[in-house]
Amino acid sequence: EAAVTQSPRSKVAVTGGKVTLSCHQTNNHDYMYWYRQDTGHGLRLIHYSYVADSTEKGDIPDGYKASRPSQENFSLILELASLSQTAVYFCASSAVGEQYFGPGTRLTVL
Amino acid sequence: GDSVTQTEGQVALSEEDFLTIHCNYSASGYPALFWYVQYPGEGPQFLFRASRDKEKGSSRGFEATYNKETTSFHLQKASVQESDSAVYYCALGPYTGNYKYVFGAGTRLKVIA
Repeated sequence: EAAVTQSPRSKVAVTGGKVTLSCHQTNNHDYMYWYRQDTGHGLRLIHYSYVADSTEKGDIPDGYKASRPSQENFSLILELASLSQTAVYFCASSAVGEQYFGPGTRLTVL
Repeated sequence: GDSVTQTEGQVALSEEDFLTIHCNYSASGYPALFWYVQYPGEGPQFLFRASRDKEKGSSRGFEATYNKETTSFHLQKASVQESDSAVYYCALGPYTGNYKYVFGAGTRLKVIA
């Protein structure tokens, strides 16, 4: 069965600190995505990647970086965390078709 | 840019009621259309998809038909159960030259026993 895991599942960060969210998939999928979820906004795409060592900006990339060192791993980096980045973050992978989502990371920036 | 609009933010029904959640899309290409369901504390799960005009997708008693003319993909279920309580997302998928998915804002369904 397709599997996407995320770590950590929950994190509290301080304003201005660096945060790294990790995602690992065992689906052998080429495409990976990072979304944030906020009440009333659904899922918004931050960054995505269709091949290792390459990332693309999504719809809301400001304040975020992404890294895809291998087909299986995709990280989201907040270099200077801000209060407005408090949200739940989801990673997903796909081939051509439906996406498989991880369980999410709840990030609170204080 | 591409967009997905879900008309209802919240829907409250009794068990065995008929469900409709409206989804309309706007895209410059010919996307696949998806429905996902999200339970509390979990990531969204794929429900079903449709890839071409007039195609019906279905799963677990839910169904929707791709309508290119009205740019719609409305989710329906004939008789909802309490266990269907969740958030439902409509999404459009990648098409030629575009790797991105676009999600609607989601519709929270509460079914009362």
